[in-house]
Amino acid sequence: EVQLVESGGGLVQPGRSLRLSCAASGFTFDDYAMHWVRQAPGKGLEWVSGISWNSGSIGYADSVKGRFTISRDNAKNSLYLQMNSLRAEDTALYYCAKDMEVACSSGGSCYIFDYWGQGTLVTVSS
Amino acid sequence: SYVLTQPPSVSVAPGQTARITCGGNNIGSKSVHWYQQKPGQAPVLVVYDDSDRPSGIPERFSGSNSGNTATLTISRVEAGDEADYYCQVWDSSSDHPGVVFGGGTKLTVL
Repeated sequence: EVQLVESGGGLVQPGRSLRLSCAASGFTFDDYAMHWVRQAPGKGLEWVSGISWNSGSIGYADSVKGRFTISRDNAKNSLYLQMNSLRAEDTALYYCAKDMEVACSSGGSCYIFDYWGQGTLVTVSS
Repeated sequence: SYVLTQPPSVSVAPGQTARITCGGNNIGSKSVHWYQQKPGQAPVLVVYDDSDRPSGIPERFSGSNSGNTATLTISRVEAGDEADYYCQVWDSSSDHPGVVFGGGTKLTVL
């Protein structure tokens, strides 16, 4: 059974840093790209960042580029998100999501999230 | 950047068919995925690559995509289908490629 368990969330002051972790199990972690998706309270889903199986390809949403860094440790079956210079608008539930890694009919990258964790809440407030 | 537009809400009576649209410029050229999110729960993938279903998702859930509109169709709607639904694509067409989600549609079962 695929399991994704996020941790590291909490209350943090604006401008400070926080590191999120996602522990994966139930699948061959280093075969799959992984992503972070967030959801502000009462709002919709927003993709934050993604990383390929070997960390060779990394992408970020414009809203976090330059402030957040995604990484993974395949030996530990873990995904991370280092969040620096946090802002109030970064307040959200942060989900770790597994990429389905299938080819799409449209060709090129597909980015389908077939498993999600339960999320870890990050609150940025003074 | 690429924008996906969904109606904020859709209402349907039990047993009827619900159609949730997702509009985007030439979305028919992209692969569209749909997620269901119930209150307090993580999203669940219900349709991917326009019309494929993951294992365990009922056949009542189907999808289509053409022109400027993708559609998630839920047949024989049940009370348990009440949830928020989000469409999603990968946009590589702009200067800032990335994953894009629609704003979400709340499905209410009357």
